[in-house]
Amino acid sequence: NAGVTQTPKFRVLKTGQSMTLLCAQDMNHEYMYWYRQDPGMGLRLIHYSVGEGTTAKGEVPDGYNVSRLKKQNFLLGLESAAPSQTSVYFCASSSQRRTGSNEQYFGPGTRLTVT
Amino acid sequence: AQSVSQHNHHVILSEAASLELGCNYSYGGTVNLFWYVQYPGQHLQLLLKYFSGDPLVKGIKGFEAEFIKSKFSFNLRKPSVQWSDTAEYFCAVNPLPGNTGKLIFGQGTTLQVKP
Repeated sequence: NAGVTQTPKFRVLKTGQSMTLLCAQDMNHEYMYWYRQDPGMGLRLIHYSVGEGTTAKGEVPDGYNVSRLKKQNFLLGLESAAPSQTSVYFCASSSQRRTGSNEQYFGPGTRLTVT
Repeated sequence: AQSVSQHNHHVILSEAASLELGCNYSYGGTVNLFWYVQYPGQHLQLLLKYFSGDPLVKGIKGFEAEFIKSKFSFNLRKPSVQWSDTAEYFCAVNPLPGNTGKLIFGQGTTLQVKP
């Protein structure tokens, strides 16, 4: 199993350009998440999905859109990139459990620079 | 708003020294608790987790954490650190119920172990 994979690993954008980050998981997880990691701020949730065809906003959703057309994929889009979106983006997934812990499994990250 | 606070932002220790990293959260209800580690250039990996039962939980690589409900704390400990423990450590909380698996992360603590 590859676990959680992310494409691309690195990207440089100019202000105003658009791009899509792809996250894929092969663990048949229901839940998927997109975070951004910035120095001194930990990880902050951008958007998440509790199942195919559903998405919801997290803590810092502005400037991002997401789609979950297939259970195994979760796409993060930037329609018009801004320098404030320079960050490392992590995707994660977890199984759906009514009790017990929902451990999240993380991808390797995408380092995005917006100039 | 729910939040997670890690008291130490940067910790420098010599090998064989003992480690304790503080984590407090602000939420009055039931929680699942996690510590994740991020080694340089790698993605987040689960160190340990608490969701019920014995408040002293043991994780990988000799780490342990104690959940003290009355103090809203989940401190991470290791009796004797090694150079290979150099990494960034994140405390995370999953508030319940209404569980979507969302995690709230602390700001992270960078641990540097000198050989």
